Amino acid sequence: QVQFVQSGAEVKTPGASVKVSCKGSGYTFSNYVIHWVRQAPGQRPEWMGWIHTGNGDTKYSQKLQDRVTFTRDTSASTHYMELSSLRSEDTAVYYCARESGYSSGWAFDYWGQGTLVTVSS
Amino acid sequence: EIVLTQSPGTLSLSPGERATLSCRASQSVTSSRLAWYQHKPGQAPRLLIYSAASRATDIPERFSGRGSGADFTLTITRLEPEDFAVYYCQQYGSSPYTFGQGTKLEIK
Repeated sequence: QVQFVQSGAEVKTPGASVKVSCKGSGYTFSNYVIHWVRQAPGQRPEWMGWIHTGNGDTKYSQKLQDRVTFTRDTSASTHYMELSSLRSEDTAVYYCARESGYSSGWAFDYWGQGTLVTVSS
Repeated sequence: EIVLTQSPGTLSLSPGERATLSCRASQSVTSSRLAWYQHKPGQAPRLLIYSAASRATDIPERFSGRGSGADFTLTITRLEPEDFAVYYCQQYGSSPYTFGQGTKLEIK
């Protein structure tokens, strides 16, 4: 079955960087686009952007494009999200999610369990 | 950016009752690319409905979606105990993809 396992919770100081991993299994890794979504406490989910696993193309949200980088390691079936120059407003649960393709109308059909990133001095 | 507004914010119902959740967009959603997700604390979000009205794989028939343009509805007939959760709508037809603020479905 399709599954995404994300790395554990992180605590960072303002100005630092964080790198979250998302390991996929149960499907052909290179065939899908992966999105990253975050949800700050009490806020609605926020879309961060996507990466095409096959060719590495990326698209970032305008809000985060100067600070976020998506990468993938196809040999390890793992995606990565790195966010730099962290600020308190970046405290959130970060999710990876698979774009389904035609089978489910390009919605996000499988998600990771989430990684809590806390930014605090 | 398309802003999605969900109502009500909280819905208190009993098992066996019918739930109707609304999602209104600030402009028309491209190609009815509107999804509904169920989210329980500490779990991964679960896709329920895509393309406004299509049930995702293994989703029970009691979940149904309808709507087009800027007005969408998720209906859950005959609530089961496991249905009490937070529900989000999402539009993925225009970048940036956006989510509603959620409807919390709680046991009355």
